[in-house]
Amino acid sequence: AQKITQTQPGMFVQEKEAVTLDCTYDTSDQSYGLFWYKQPSSGEMIFLIYQGSYDEQNATEGRYSLNFQKARKSANLVISASQLGDSAMYFCAMREGLGQGGSEKLVFGKGTKLTVNP
Amino acid sequence: NAGVTQTPKFRILKIGQSMTLQCTQDMNHNYMYWYRQDPGMGLKLIYYSVGAGITDKGEVPNGYNVSRSTTEDFPLRLELAAPSQTSVYFCASSYPTPRTEAFFGQGTRLTVV
Repeated sequence: AQKITQTQPGMFVQEKEAVTLDCTYDTSDQSYGLFWYKQPSSGEMIFLIYQGSYDEQNATEGRYSLNFQKARKSANLVISASQLGDSAMYFCAMREGLGQGGSEKLVFGKGTKLTVNP
Repeated sequence: NAGVTQTPKFRILKIGQSMTLQCTQDMNHNYMYWYRQDPGMGLKLIYYSVGAGITDKGEVPNGYNVSRSTTEDFPLRLELAAPSQTSVYFCASSYPTPRTEAFFGQGTRLTVV
Protein backbone atom coordinates (compact mmCIF):
# COMPACT_ATOMS: atom_id res chain seq x y z
CA ALA A 1 0.00 0.00 0.00
CA GLN A 2 1.16 3.49 -0.79
CA LYS A 3 2.48 5.13 2.35
CA ILE A 4 2.70 8.63 0.91
CA THR A 5 0.27 9.90 -1.69
CA GLN A 6 0.77 13.07 -3.66
CA THR A 7 -2.21 13.38 -5.98
CA GLN A 8 -1.04 16.37 -8.01
CA PRO A 9 1.48 15.34 -10.68
CA GLY A 10 1.81 18.98 -11.72
CA MET A 11 0.79 22.39 -10.42
CA PHE A 12 0.98 25.86 -11.89
CA VAL A 13 1.05 29.13 -9.96
CA GLN A 14 1.55 32.75 -10.82
CA GLU A 15 4.56 34.51 -9.37
CA LYS A 16 3.83 36.13 -5.98
CA GLU A 17 0.77 33.97 -5.37
CA ALA A 18 0.47 31.20 -2.78
CA VAL A 19 0.20 27.52 -3.69
CA THR A 20 -0.67 24.38 -1.73
CA LEU A 21 0.87 21.02 -2.54
CA ASP A 22 -1.08 18.06 -1.19
CA CYS A 23 0.27 15.11 0.75
CA THR A 24 -1.61 12.34 2.51
CA TYR A 25 0.01 9.51 4.40
CA ASP A 26 -0.81 6.11 5.79
CA THR A 27 0.60 4.83 9.05
CA SER A 28 -0.54 2.98 12.14
CA ASP A 29 2.31 4.40 14.21
CA GLN A 30 1.55 7.08 16.77
CA SER A 31 5.00 8.61 16.52
CA TYR A 32 6.18 9.64 13.08
CA GLY A 33 7.69 12.56 11.22
CA LEU A 34 6.80 14.22 7.95
CA PHE A 35 9.26 16.01 5.68
CA TRP A 36 9.11 18.05 2.51
CA TYR A 37 11.98 18.19 0.05
CA LYS A 38 12.55 20.28 -3.06
CA GLN A 39 14.35 18.90 -6.11
CA PRO A 40 15.27 21.53 -8.70
CA SER A 41 16.15 20.56 -12.24
CA SER A 42 19.79 20.24 -11.18
CA GLY A 43 18.78 17.13 -9.23
CA GLU A 44 19.86 17.73 -5.66
CA MET A 45 17.50 17.11 -2.76
CA ILE A 46 16.90 20.13 -0.56
CA PHE A 47 15.18 19.79 2.81
CA LEU A 48 12.42 22.35 3.37
CA ILE A 49 10.36 21.65 6.47
CA TYR A 50 9.55 19.06 9.13
CA GLN A 51 6.40 18.22 11.12
CA GLY A 52 6.33 15.76 14.01
CA SER A 53 3.21 13.77 14.77
CA TYR A 54 3.10 15.17 18.31
CA ASP A 55 3.75 18.78 17.33
CA GLU A 56 0.79 20.88 18.36
CA GLN A 57 1.53 23.73 15.99
CA ASN A 58 1.94 23.67 12.25
CA ALA A 59 5.55 23.98 11.17
CA THR A 60 6.76 27.11 9.41
CA GLU A 61 10.08 27.95 7.74
CA GLY A 62 10.17 31.31 6.02
CA ARG A 63 7.79 31.16 3.04
CA TYR A 64 7.05 27.49 3.68
CA SER A 65 4.39 26.30 6.06
CA LEU A 66 2.80 22.95 6.67
CA ASN A 67 -0.95 22.49 7.01
CA PHE A 68 -0.96 19.44 9.26
CA GLN A 69 -4.29 17.70 9.83
CA LYS A 70 -3.53 14.62 11.86
CA ALA A 71 -7.02 13.14 11.90
CA ARG A 72 -7.18 13.35 8.10
CA LYS A 73 -3.57 12.17 7.79
CA SER A 74 -2.63 15.06 5.59
CA ALA A 75 0.44 17.30 5.60
CA ASN A 76 0.08 19.84 2.84
CA LEU A 77 2.90 22.23 1.97
CA VAL A 78 1.97 25.86 1.51
CA ILE A 79 4.38 28.12 -0.34
CA SER A 80 3.56 31.80 0.02
CA ALA A 81 4.61 34.54 -2.41
CA SER A 82 5.87 32.11 -5.06
CA GLN A 83 9.09 32.94 -6.85
CA LEU A 84 10.39 31.75 -10.20
CA GLY A 85 13.09 29.83 -8.33
CA ASP A 86 10.40 27.74 -6.64
CA SER A 87 9.84 25.85 -9.89
CA ALA A 88 10.91 22.31 -9.02
CA MET A 89 9.73 18.86 -7.97
CA TYR A 90 8.45 18.69 -4.41
CA PHE A 91 8.44 15.48 -2.42
CA CYS A 92 6.62 14.60 0.76
CA ALA A 93 8.30 11.96 2.95
CA MET A 94 7.52 10.12 6.18
CA ARG A 95 9.67 8.56 8.83
CA GLU A 96 7.83 5.87 10.77
CA GLY A 97 8.66 3.86 13.81
CA LEU A 98 10.22 6.70 15.70
CA GLY A 99 11.83 5.64 18.92
CA GLN A 100 11.32 1.95 18.28
CA GLY A 101 14.96 1.33 17.60
CA GLY A 102 15.99 0.14 14.17
CA SER A 103 12.83 0.86 12.24
CA GLU A 104 13.24 4.40 10.98
CA LYS A 105 12.58 3.96 7.33
CA LEU A 106 12.18 7.17 5.35
CA VAL A 107 9.75 6.78 2.46
CA PHE A 108 8.82 9.27 -0.24
CA GLY A 109 5.80 10.10 -2.35
CA LYS A 110 5.90 10.38 -6.14
CA GLY A 111 6.22 14.13 -6.07
CA THR A 112 4.53 17.19 -7.54
CA LYS A 113 6.09 19.26 -10.26
CA LEU A 114 5.52 22.94 -9.51
CA THR A 115 5.84 25.53 -12.25
CA VAL A 116 5.85 29.21 -11.31
CA ASN A 117 4.78 31.48 -14.15
CA PRO A 118 5.96 35.09 -14.43
CA ASN B 1 32.45 19.61 5.64
CA ALA B 2 31.83 17.25 2.70
CA GLY B 3 28.48 15.82 3.89
CA VAL B 4 27.37 12.81 1.84
CA THR B 5 29.64 11.89 -1.06
CA GLN B 6 28.66 9.49 -3.82
CA THR B 7 30.91 8.07 -6.49
CA PRO B 8 30.80 7.77 -9.41
CA LYS B 9 28.51 10.55 -10.65
CA PHE B 10 27.82 8.81 -13.95
CA ARG B 11 28.27 5.25 -15.16
CA ILE B 12 27.27 3.15 -18.15
CA LEU B 13 27.10 -0.59 -17.56
CA LYS B 14 26.52 -3.45 -19.92
CA ILE B 15 23.84 -6.00 -19.13
CA GLY B 16 25.20 -8.61 -16.74
CA GLN B 17 28.08 -6.51 -15.44
CA SER B 18 28.54 -5.74 -11.77
CA MET B 19 29.46 -2.58 -9.97
CA THR B 20 29.50 -0.93 -6.58
CA LEU B 21 28.13 2.52 -5.92
CA GLN B 22 30.08 4.15 -3.17
CA CYS B 23 28.60 6.34 -0.45
CA THR B 24 30.44 7.92 2.45
CA GLN B 25 29.39 10.51 5.00
CA ASP B 26 31.48 12.50 7.46
CA MET B 27 28.71 13.63 9.81
CA ASN B 28 28.82 10.57 12.09
CA HIS B 29 25.23 9.73 11.17
CA ASN B 30 23.90 6.39 12.32
CA TYR B 31 21.21 6.07 9.68
CA MET B 32 21.97 5.67 5.99
CA TYR B 33 19.72 5.03 3.02
CA TRP B 34 19.88 4.10 -0.65
CA TYR B 35 17.17 5.25 -3.04
CA ARG B 36 16.55 5.01 -6.74
CA GLN B 37 14.68 7.61 -8.75
CA ASP B 38 13.33 6.66 -12.14
CA PRO B 39 12.64 9.48 -14.65
CA GLY B 40 9.78 11.69 -13.51
CA MET B 41 9.14 9.55 -10.45
CA GLY B 42 9.65 9.70 -6.72
CA LEU B 43 12.35 8.07 -4.65
CA LYS B 44 12.04 4.39 -3.85
CA LEU B 45 13.90 2.99 -0.86
CA ILE B 46 16.25 0.15 -1.78
CA TYR B 47 18.05 -0.57 1.49
CA TYR B 48 18.71 1.23 4.72
CA SER B 49 20.96 0.86 7.74
CA VAL B 50 20.58 2.05 11.31
CA GLY B 51 24.21 1.47 12.23
CA ALA B 52 27.37 -0.43 11.44
CA GLY B 53 26.60 -4.10 10.89
CA ILE B 54 22.83 -3.58 10.57
CA THR B 55 21.03 -3.38 7.25
CA ASP B 56 17.46 -3.93 6.16
CA LYS B 57 15.46 -4.10 2.96
CA GLY B 58 13.39 -1.23 1.70
CA GLU B 59 10.68 -1.19 -0.97
CA VAL B 60 12.71 -2.40 -3.97
CA PRO B 61 15.71 -4.48 -2.78
CA ASN B 62 15.78 -7.11 -5.55
CA GLY B 63 18.95 -7.04 -7.60
CA TYR B 64 20.94 -5.11 -4.99
CA ASN B 65 23.08 -5.81 -1.96
CA VAL B 66 24.53 -3.59 0.73
CA SER B 67 26.97 -3.76 3.58
CA ARG B 68 27.74 -1.43 6.48
CA SER B 69 31.07 -2.26 8.02
CA THR B 70 31.73 1.28 9.26
CA THR B 71 29.59 4.22 10.30
CA GLU B 72 30.89 6.28 7.40
CA ASP B 73 30.43 3.95 4.44
CA PHE B 74 27.38 2.32 2.90
CA PRO B 75 28.16 0.83 -0.53
CA LEU B 76 25.44 -0.49 -2.84
CA ARG B 77 26.29 -3.49 -5.00
CA LEU B 78 24.64 -4.41 -8.30
CA GLU B 79 25.57 -8.00 -9.14
CA LEU B 80 24.02 -8.61 -12.58
CA ALA B 81 23.00 -5.32 -14.10
CA ALA B 82 19.71 -5.22 -15.98
CA PRO B 83 18.14 -2.41 -18.08
CA SER B 84 15.46 -2.05 -15.38
CA GLN B 85 18.18 -0.79 -13.05
CA THR B 86 18.76 2.28 -15.19
CA SER B 87 18.04 5.07 -12.74
CA VAL B 88 19.49 7.82 -10.60
CA TYR B 89 20.68 6.51 -7.26
CA PHE B 90 20.76 8.64 -4.15
CA CYS B 91 22.47 7.92 -0.87
CA ALA B 92 21.31 9.73 2.26
CA SER B 93 22.16 9.83 5.94
CA SER B 94 20.68 11.18 9.14
CA TYR B 95 21.00 11.25 12.90
CA PRO B 96 18.81 8.76 14.77
CA THR B 97 16.58 11.47 16.16
CA PRO B 98 13.06 12.11 14.92
CA ARG B 99 13.32 15.77 14.02
CA THR B 100 16.42 15.67 11.89
CA GLU B 101 16.23 15.58 8.16
CA ALA B 102 18.13 13.24 5.89
CA PHE B 103 21.08 14.70 4.01
CA PHE B 104 21.48 13.56 0.43
CA GLY B 105 24.40 12.97 -1.86
CA GLN B 106 24.43 14.42 -5.37
CA GLY B 107 23.31 11.17 -6.95
CA THR B 108 24.74 8.61 -9.38
CA ARG B 109 23.22 8.42 -12.84
CA LEU B 110 23.43 4.78 -13.98
CA THR B 111 22.57 3.54 -17.44
CA VAL B 112 22.46 -0.17 -18.23
CA VAL B 113 22.65 -1.01 -21.93
